[in-house]
Amino acid sequence: EPEVTQTPSHQVTQMGQEVILRCVPISNHLYFYWYRQILGQKVEFLVSFYNNEISEKSEIFDDQFSVERPDGSNFTLKIRSTKLEDSAMYFCASSELGLGTYNEQFFGPGTRLTVL
Amino acid sequence: SQQGEEDPQALSIQEGENATMNCSYKTSINNLQWYRQNSGRGLVHLILIRSNEREKHSGRLRVTLDTSKKSSSLLITASRAADTASYFCALETGRRALTFGSGTRLQVQP
Repeated sequence: EPEVTQTPSHQVTQMGQEVILRCVPISNHLYFYWYRQILGQKVEFLVSFYNNEISEKSEIFDDQFSVERPDGSNFTLKIRSTKLEDSAMYFCASSELGLGTYNEQFFGPGTRLTVL
Repeated sequence: SQQGEEDPQALSIQEGENATMNCSYKTSINNLQWYRQNSGRGLVHLILIRSNEREKHSGRLRVTLDTSKKSSSLLITASRAADTASYFCALETGRRALTFGSGTRLQVQP
């Protein structure tokens, strides 16, 4: 069964460093998402992406964040200058678009980001 | 608040028993989705119920939706130890972003 994959599974970085989290969405899906879950807290929406542009973003997704689809399969989340509070599990998700689909979002296993 | 709130926060049952989790919300929705998360792992999509549906089944899962009461329930029948996980409802309210609740932690004792 097709699934969303994410790399790396765990990323440790120093405060102020840039990180890039990678995702490969399900191949026939056209909508892509990033969510995060700080330890012990709710899953929070960051951004959605469709047709090579941001479709929607939350207040969390400030200028320090950016997303890109650099090729036909990868979808990335970049954090330019990490802060301690960026430590969280980051989930990528994807969904189909089309008649008869209802935005079922399928999530990857997550990347645990630890900022020291 | 748009987010769903699950009830109870934690539930402990014996293997073979049924588990019922509830989700209440305050706004109108396009659909409501239920997810499972094993400790420290990813979110597994369980079922989606659209706002014009009242009940859906998938294997041992039964989901109901009452839009007049703004509530949904997830029933897991004949639970197994492997069902031990956190269960979340997620709302789609018009934009495609999902808003998650705090979840119900289910413990199934063998």
